[in-house]
Amino acid sequence: DSGVTQTPKHLITATGQRVTLRCSPRSGDLSVYWYQQSLDQGLQFLIQYYNGEERAKGNILERFSAQQFPDLHSELNLSSLELGDSALYFCASSVVGGQGGETQYFGPGTRLLVL
Amino acid sequence: AQTVTQSQPEMSVQEAETVTLSCTYDTSENNYYLFWYKQPPSRQMILVIRQEAYKQQNATENRFSVNFQKAAKSFSLKISDSQLGDTAMYFCAFMKHGGTYKYIFGTGTRLKVLA
Repeated sequence: DSGVTQTPKHLITATGQRVTLRCSPRSGDLSVYWYQQSLDQGLQFLIQYYNGEERAKGNILERFSAQQFPDLHSELNLSSLELGDSALYFCASSVVGGQGGETQYFGPGTRLLVL
Repeated sequence: AQTVTQSQPEMSVQEAETVTLSCTYDTSENNYYLFWYKQPPSRQMILVIRQEAYKQQNATENRFSVNFQKAAKSFSLKISDSQLGDTAMYFCAFMKHGGTYKYIFGTGTRLKVLA
C-alpha cells in the first residue's frame, strides 16, 4: 500500500458525459501528479499540482481540468468524454522541495470506461 | 526534450534464472534520476529501484540491481533468482532534477516468469 488513495476504482459512463476522479496523497506529500495509461501503453503525464497551485502541464486535453484543494487532495475532471478517453488514470504524490529526485508513489488508479 | 526507450516489448525467463531488461534515454541534463517501476496484473505501479545520476555506484535492492552507464545513457535492470511474482510490466522512468519533477516513462517491457 503506497498510502495514496484514489476513488472510484472503476467508472463506466457514456460519451459526452463528465466525471470527476479523486486522489488523496500520502500524508506529508505536497505534490500531486496525474497520469493517463491507455491500453497497453506507457504512462503519459497530464498535470502536476504543488501545494494547491498548478506546477506543470503535460499532454492534457482542454476538456480535462484538475485542482488541488487546501487539504491537498486533488480532483481530475474529465468532460465531453469520448471513447478514446477510456484508460487507467493514476494519481501519484511526492514530497517535492527536498534534495531532489523525489520518488513518486502511485495510487491504485481509476479505470475509466467510456461507452 | 527527454525520451526513454525500452526496446524489448516482451521477455520471458525461467523461474530462478536471471534476466536483464534494457532502458536507454536521451537527455542533455547532467543531474537527473532514473527509476524502474513494476506493474503487475493488478495494475498497481510499484517502485522497484531508483538511481541518482551523480552516483557512480549502481543501485541494488535485494534481487534487483541496475547497470547504470551514464555516458552511454543506459539503465538496465537485472532481476536475479526470478520468481513467479516478478511477472509484470516493467517501466523505466526518467526525471530531471529541479523543475517540475515529472516522470517520463518508457513504453514498458512485459516480463513473464515461467515455472
